[in-house]
Amino acid sequence: SQKIEQNSEALNIQEGKTATLTCNYTNYSPAYLQWYRQDPGRGPVFLLLIRENEKEKRKERLKVTFDTTLKQSLFHITASQPADSATYLCALDPGGGNKLTFGTGTQLKVEL
Amino acid sequence: DGGITQSPKYLFRKEGQNVTLSCEQNLNHDAMYWYRQDPGQGLRLIYYSQIVNDFQKGDIAEGYSVSREKKESFPLTVTSAQKNPTAFYLCASSIDATAAYNSPLHFGNGTRLTVT
Repeated sequence: SQKIEQNSEALNIQEGKTATLTCNYTNYSPAYLQWYRQDPGRGPVFLLLIRENEKEKRKERLKVTFDTTLKQSLFHITASQPADSATYLCALDPGGGNKLTFGTGTQLKVEL
Repeated sequence: DGGITQSPKYLFRKEGQNVTLSCEQNLNHDAMYWYRQDPGQGLRLIYYSQIVNDFQKGDIAEGYSVSREKKESFPLTVTSAQKNPTAFYLCASSIDATAAYNSPLHFGNGTRLTVT
């Protein structure tokens, strides 16, 4: 069956370090992969989208990679700040319609 | 500012009662969606609508109903047939529903429904 896996354990890092979050998937051939940020009690906010033929995408301190051979996407936040603390969700779109499938998310905590 | 408004933020109901969650958007988006979020689970799609007066079931539509009479509005009714209605409900919209590459989702801030 199709599955999206994100690390359910919270990731704790020190301010200024690079945070790396992982999204693994099985039995999918996603055309696109998206990353969202969700703060407690609020809806997710779109961050970045990467297509299957793109290896890497950047936006300010954010970087996303997409390896369709490994079936994995990595989400990096460089020079992390306490304000980056949130849950980060990956979502896959198999193509042919915008019916995204979401992972469970990984909570990131950036400490001073 | 354009956005999606969900109301109310918290809703309490007794078991056996139907309840309707409101979702309004002023982004002029064609497509709207309802998701449910439970602890330890990813967002699950309940219903979606690509255009006014049309909607399709998502992965977990049983016990829910929707309507799309206006482009701006996509209310969700949680009926008494829904076995586990207590959850965080999120409404979203996108420019269109044909492809995710040009149309990421914009979410509201959710309604937390508690049924006792």
